Amino acid sequence: AQTVTQSQPEMSVQEAETVTLSCTYDTSENNYYLFWYKQPPSRQMILVIRQEAYKQQNATENRFSVNFQKAAKSFSLKISDSQLGDTAMYFCAFRLYTSGSRLTFGEGTQLTVNP
Amino acid sequence: EPEVTQTPSHQVTQMGQEVILRCVPISNHLYFYWYRQILGQKVEFLVSFYNNEISEKSEIFDDQFSVERPDGSNFTLKIRSTKLEDSAMYFCASSEEAVYNSPLHFGNGTRLTVT
Repeated sequence: AQTVTQSQPEMSVQEAETVTLSCTYDTSENNYYLFWYKQPPSRQMILVIRQEAYKQQNATENRFSVNFQKAAKSFSLKISDSQLGDTAMYFCAFRLYTSGSRLTFGEGTQLTVNP
Repeated sequence: EPEVTQTPSHQVTQMGQEVILRCVPISNHLYFYWYRQILGQKVEFLVSFYNNEISEKSEIFDDQFSVERPDGSNFTLKIRSTKLEDSAMYFCASSEEAVYNSPLHFGNGTRLTVT
């Protein structure tokens, strides 16, 4: 079974600064995906960024980037130039490279961006 | 952009009553999922559905739960006899799965309150 761990229940950052959210996972599989989802107060689940395990290059999406360390089973999210709208719960998630496989979520990190 | 639609947004029911949560997945998607999130906790997988049958279910998805795709558009989750501990946010999701890389798209969720 796969597990995902987020060891930072809460984090805060000043507007325009950079913050990094941590995530580690455990699996015996070699082919999988990793995701970061954002859940604002509206409770909607929004995909932020994804990474295929077979790709060595770290994924980036505008202000969001990841540091994927496959050997260490680590998948951190960096948010640059933080904005007030980034305030949300952030979930790291794991998914096997199999059609229809489940997403396994971490416990989440509540990020607050302060003005 | 196509969306996953869930109704109702909030459902209040009495313990022991049956409840049906409804979802309209994105039209060309092939895999459908239900997840739940108890307040303050992580998002948990319930069930996945493909080709008109359950493809995977978690230990949470016991005999009190059932899913159905009654027509070409709706995907429903039924809880036969609700318990207080069923109070949670329930998310429907769908994925295209034409290629392995297709992400899950989540609906806005149904908040279920069992009194």
